[in-house]
Amino acid sequence: QQPVQSPQAVILREGEDAVINCSSSKALYSVHWYRQKHGEAPVFLMILLKGGEQKGHEKISASFNEKKQQSSLYLTASQLSYSGTYFCGTASGGYNKLIFGAGTRLAVHP
Amino acid sequence: DGGITQSPKYLFRKEGQNVTLSCEQNLNHDAMYWYRQDPGQGLRLIYYSQIVNDFQKGDIAEGYSVSREKKESFPLTVTSAQKNPTAFYLCASRTISSGNTIYFGEGSWLTVV
Repeated sequence: QQPVQSPQAVILREGEDAVINCSSSKALYSVHWYRQKHGEAPVFLMILLKGGEQKGHEKISASFNEKKQQSSLYLTASQLSYSGTYFCGTASGGYNKLIFGAGTRLAVHP
Repeated sequence: DGGITQSPKYLFRKEGQNVTLSCEQNLNHDAMYWYRQDPGQGLRLIYYSQIVNDFQKGDIAEGYSVSREKKESFPLTVTSAQKNPTAFYLCASRTISSGNTIYFGEGSWLTVV
């Protein structure tokens, strides 16, 4: 079952913060976060493998709450380059079966 | 350079024709995947393979077929049974030694005319 992402879209001014959530109705083994620019392949941001694990990448970080079966992606002091669609992917129902949410569109304006 | 190569980048198909999209990886990854993406939509899993000569259906396998005769190759055939094949197709691979990171190819745009 596809993970659910929220919100569907976010509009920010440069320097503002945003949170993107990803939740699943099934137990999660891992959560993957990707960013995709239009017409391009998704680019890896980070992966979380353990419950409660938090990881960071520049001003982008993420948390994984295994009990609540959800993950959140935090974007701080947003830059124009952060614009794109963010996807969370989850491995559930089998370690190698990876499914993605519908995506969250993020637009950062000057 | 190591990576995933998809071909062709752009493909036009007439209705009723089968078409095969190529995916080759030289990363020595065990698992390979095919995803479909429609404009403004997410990634939907078509098929995946964990080892050679084995593959499983994803969420939207109807109208598609795959093979995994070699570790580095995972071609996808879009058959005439697929009613709405126009989409962006992404191939991906991963293995535990890569930290479970999924690597994506550049994608193939398929248009039915």
